[in-house]
Amino acid sequence: DGGITQSPKYLFRKEGQNVTLSCEQNLNHDAMYWYRQDPGQGLRLIYYSQIVNDFQKGDIAEGYSVSREKKESFPLTVTSAQKNPTAFYLCASSMGQGPPDTQYFGPGTRLTVL
Amino acid sequence: GENVEQHPSTLSVQEGDSAVIKCTYSDSASNYFPWYKQELGKRPQLIIDIRSNVGEKKDQRIAVTLNKTAKHFSLHITETQPEDSAVYFCAATPLRGYNKLIFGAGTRLAVHP
Repeated sequence: DGGITQSPKYLFRKEGQNVTLSCEQNLNHDAMYWYRQDPGQGLRLIYYSQIVNDFQKGDIAEGYSVSREKKESFPLTVTSAQKNPTAFYLCASSMGQGPPDTQYFGPGTRLTVL
Repeated sequence: GENVEQHPSTLSVQEGDSAVIKCTYSDSASNYFPWYKQELGKRPQLIIDIRSNVGEKKDQRIAVTLNKTAKHFSLHITETQPEDSAVYFCAATPLRGYNKLIFGAGTRLAVHP
């Protein structure tokens, strides 16, 4: 999982602003994922992409957007429509070849709304 | 919808004791069950996983058992050490979107010296 990087580590946002979280991987993985983690809770899937130029909504996609223009990059934009964006955001990637399909996580970005 | 329930939410043991965490899944077609360990402020890291065609898998002090009939699987840690203290998450693959994972809510394990 050292091949997955996220930036920035900490991000502060004012209400009404859009912010973009970066996720890059050099593992040559086809599939990438974004999760949100709130204190004391599990990981909830926001968006996932199984191949370049294609992505699907997860369980909590409202207020978020993504793009997958390159295999190694899967940026997440938290829009002003997301009412409670303060959370720990985790990006993951996997080979995407079918089960079992182990997911490896990046170090995360902690987003705080001021 | 697909769901994974995990128990207990917190677990406190003495060093050297065993710890058991249990998960139940709803989708009978699920066929892959990983366990992740997350230390405070860090990324989740895979510690062990099991496929549906296997009933048990061991890796040193860690083992996972799977009961497909009852749709539950468990993580067993023997001879616990303080460095085992962390939050542990189970997960399962749902029928739809085979490389998606549905996570349990996590178990906070504290190992006391």
